[in-house]
Amino acid sequence: GAGVSQTPSNKVTEKGKYVELRCDPISGHTALYWYRQSLGQGPEFLIYFQGTGAADDSGLPNDRFFAVRPEGSVSTLKIQRTERGDSAVYLCASSLSLAGATQYFGPGTRLTVL
Amino acid sequence: TQLLEQSPQFLSIQEGENLTVYCNSSSVFSSLQWYRQEPGEGPVLLVTVVTGGEVKKLKRLTFQFGDARKDSSLHITAAQPGDTGLYLCAGPFNFGNEKLTFGTGTRLTIIP
Repeated sequence: GAGVSQTPSNKVTEKGKYVELRCDPISGHTALYWYRQSLGQGPEFLIYFQGTGAADDSGLPNDRFFAVRPEGSVSTLKIQRTERGDSAVYLCASSLSLAGATQYFGPGTRLTVL
Repeated sequence: TQLLEQSPQFLSIQEGENLTVYCNSSSVFSSLQWYRQEPGEGPVLLVTVVTGGEVKKLKRLTFQFGDARKDSSLHITAAQPGDTGLYLCAGPFNFGNEKLTFGTGTRLTIIP
């Protein structure tokens, strides 16, 4: 079956603009995660959904970042008033809702804020 | 701040050589995972270790979890160019907490 897909693969925007990043999880996976990976570093946790609700949003850096998953499948990460420091690869992962279940990662969206 | 530190940060060796990568923390992990990430792709899980002192083998890769569950190592025997990539350790700090904390990464290059 298809893996986790993310669109767009690349996004270039100007400082101050609004962007939306989309994640399509593996079918049947009720858990969904967003991570951010800066150049040369490991991914950092942003937010975790269990179904439609955000179970843990402790990694969101500030209130410019928001994520939704209205139907418990596709998720959108929204960034308002983008800043140059937001430039990174945004990774999405999904898993079954079992303790210790493997997280399967998408290829990421590379966001560049000019 | 809970950190997973990996060493070395960069490693470049000749094909056929052996190598070890380390992952260390001051905190205890309920389990620890190793991932490999290639350019333009997300991390792919290689192994999960759960029990202190546990050793797991995956072909030429050997993973060990420290007795105190604060550290782990990855040993590659007879490295091949296909082993090239970014190796990441990661773990949830509490069982049932699915949020992963990733290490700083080791970028491995195998020279043919």
